[in-house]
Amino acid sequence: SQELEQSPQSLIVQEGKNLTINCTSSKTLYGLYWYKQKYGEGLIFLMMLQKGGEEKSHEKITAKLDEKKQQSSLHITASQPSHAGIYLCGADPSGTYKYIFGTGTRLKVLA
Amino acid sequence: GAVVSQHPSRVICKSGTSVKIECRSLDFQATTMFWYRQFPKQSLMLMATSNEGSKATYEQGVEKDKFLINHASLTLSTLTVTSAHPEDSSFYICSAREGSGGTQYFGPGTRLLVL
Repeated sequence: SQELEQSPQSLIVQEGKNLTINCTSSKTLYGLYWYKQKYGEGLIFLMMLQKGGEEKSHEKITAKLDEKKQQSSLHITASQPSHAGIYLCGADPSGTYKYIFGTGTRLKVLA
Repeated sequence: GAVVSQHPSRVICKSGTSVKIECRSLDFQATTMFWYRQFPKQSLMLMATSNEGSKATYEQGVEKDKFLINHASLTLSTLTVTSAHPEDSSFYICSAREGSGGTQYFGPGTRLLVL
């Protein structure tokens, strides 16, 4: 079965700093989703990547899927306290819309 | 984007009672809804897939008689935790798939505490 591993598990950065979160899959990805979750709340959809080498941006968040489609990175530029939360990568390994999720990365941004 | 709501957001119940959680897609029709469970500091685990007008399909290890799912309309799915026990205490999140796309939109979650 396919597994997603995220690194780092947690991250504390000073406001204004850039940061990167990685999501590595044990098998080829045919679609990679990034979500953000605040503690005790639901998931907010950030973006979806499908093609190898694809890169998407939303405000100060950029995500990329590597050419081999086994790793994705999420990059936040000039982080702000509002970026704090848990970032989860998700995939649909069987093409049946049944998602699996990564282990999550807890981000704290210090003002 | 698409909005999914859940009700209640938080529930505390006594052991042995049943609890119903509703999941609604507010501005779109969802032929498929999903129910996840999340333990503290862990990721989401898919429990079951709910299809409108048909029986839900459960993931391995999830008791279908304990977690009853009803998807009566294109905008509503319910999860009933029957005869709840303290080990059922968790954060339950639903999601809905919009149209033919693969993106799932998630509800805000329901925190269940069984005493």
